[in-house]
Amino acid sequence: DAGVTQSPTHLIKTRGQQVTLRCSPISGHKSVSWYQQVLGQGPQFIFQYYEKEERGRGNFPDRFSARQFPNYSSELNVNALLLGDSALYLCASSPPRNTEAFFGQGTRLTVV
Amino acid sequence: AQSVTQLDSQVPVFEEAPVELRCNYSSSVSVYLFWYVQYPNQGLQLLLKYLSGSTLVKGINGFEAEFNKSQTSFHLRKPSVHISDTAEYFCAVSRMNRDDKIIFGKGTRLHILP
Repeated sequence: DAGVTQSPTHLIKTRGQQVTLRCSPISGHKSVSWYQQVLGQGPQFIFQYYEKEERGRGNFPDRFSARQFPNYSSELNVNALLLGDSALYLCASSPPRNTEAFFGQGTRLTVV
Repeated sequence: AQSVTQLDSQVPVFEEAPVELRCNYSSSVSVYLFWYVQYPNQGLQLLLKYLSGSTLVKGINGFEAEFNKSQTSFHLRKPSVHISDTAEYFCAVSRMNRDDKIIFGKGTRLHILP
């Protein structure tokens, strides 16, 4: 079985631009979460989607948005990029009751 | 709300020596507890998890952790470390039986000295 896959793996954007990150969960997992990991810190929760509905949102500005598609894949969008948005963005999928989260390799976003 | 405190940002240890990485959590409800490892330029890999039952949990790569409810701790241990254990280790919690977010600590960097 394939694990959680994220694309692209690396991305360089200019301040003010918009970016879309993609995630495919493990087959059978209906829950997808997004995390931001700034260098030297632990992952910070951004969004969780379950069965295509937003279940939770972390303390991030409205520039961050996400959605989940009928096949349970997900996209994270960030508008009006700031230098501080440079980070590793991790996607995780979970079985019911969140007994474990399986993480993808992440997308390294650099804003210049 | 839940929170996780990892007491050491870095832990140096000689190869083949034992190691303990400390983790304390705070929560008003029952939680699941996790330890994840992150190798350089990679995502997170689950080392072990505590859901219920025995408080001593064994994971991959020879790691184990003990859940102590009275001290709200979940310390990670390994009796003999190897150079390949060099990585960042994250303690995390999530609310039990909820499709919910995972709260991570800030991480502990394990340095293995030759």
